[in-house]
Amino acid sequence: EAGVAQSPRYKIIEKRQSVAFWCNPISGHATLYWYQQILGQGPKLLIQFQNNGVVDDSQLPKDRFSAERLKGVDSTLKIQPAKLEDSAVYLCASSFTATGSGNTIYFGEGSWLTVV
Amino acid sequence: AQSVTQLGSHVSVSEGALVLLRCNYSSSVPPYLFWYVQYPNQGLQLLLKYTTGATLVKGINGFEAEFKKSETSFHLTKPSAHMSDAAEYFCAVTVYNNNDMRFGAGTRLTVKP
Repeated sequence: EAGVAQSPRYKIIEKRQSVAFWCNPISGHATLYWYQQILGQGPKLLIQFQNNGVVDDSQLPKDRFSAERLKGVDSTLKIQPAKLEDSAVYLCASSFTATGSGNTIYFGEGSWLTVV
Repeated sequence: AQSVTQLGSHVSVSEGALVLLRCNYSSSVPPYLFWYVQYPNQGLQLLLKYTTGATLVKGINGFEAEFKKSETSFHLTKPSAHMSDAAEYFCAVTVYNNNDMRFGAGTRLTVKP
């Protein structure tokens, strides 16, 4: 079974530039998550989709971050304009359904962003 | 909201020694608890999870954890450490009908030869 796919794996941009990350979840998984993991910290949820609808985006900095999952499968996360503090690993994850039922979340390998 | 605290940001053991990574949770309702492992430059991989039922949970790679409600703990153990166990370990918690899985800050395990 193919895992969660993410690209690009690594990206270096200058502050105020924009960047986009792509994610393809495990086939059949209705729930998709984007997490931000800053060095030395645990992952923090940015946004959660159930099919193509947003379930929780309370921790997404909406002035610069946006995400979409138009057809209920692939998703993109965009940052514009980037700040130095956005340097982190962006982890995409998916689960068969919402974590509220104790379902396992499966993570991709992450997209490493460095803002200089 | 639910949360977890991992005691010790760095644990070092000798190869063959007992591994004990500590996690305490806070939740006003019954929690679901998880341990994930992260190897360098990789994503998180599930080691084990507790939802309901048996409080001693066995996972992959010889790891196990015990849910202790009275102590609000979910410590991860392995009887004998292997060099390949060196990684970052994260404890996480969620509850029924709450979408936000909360992670601890992580514990880096070093295994000495």
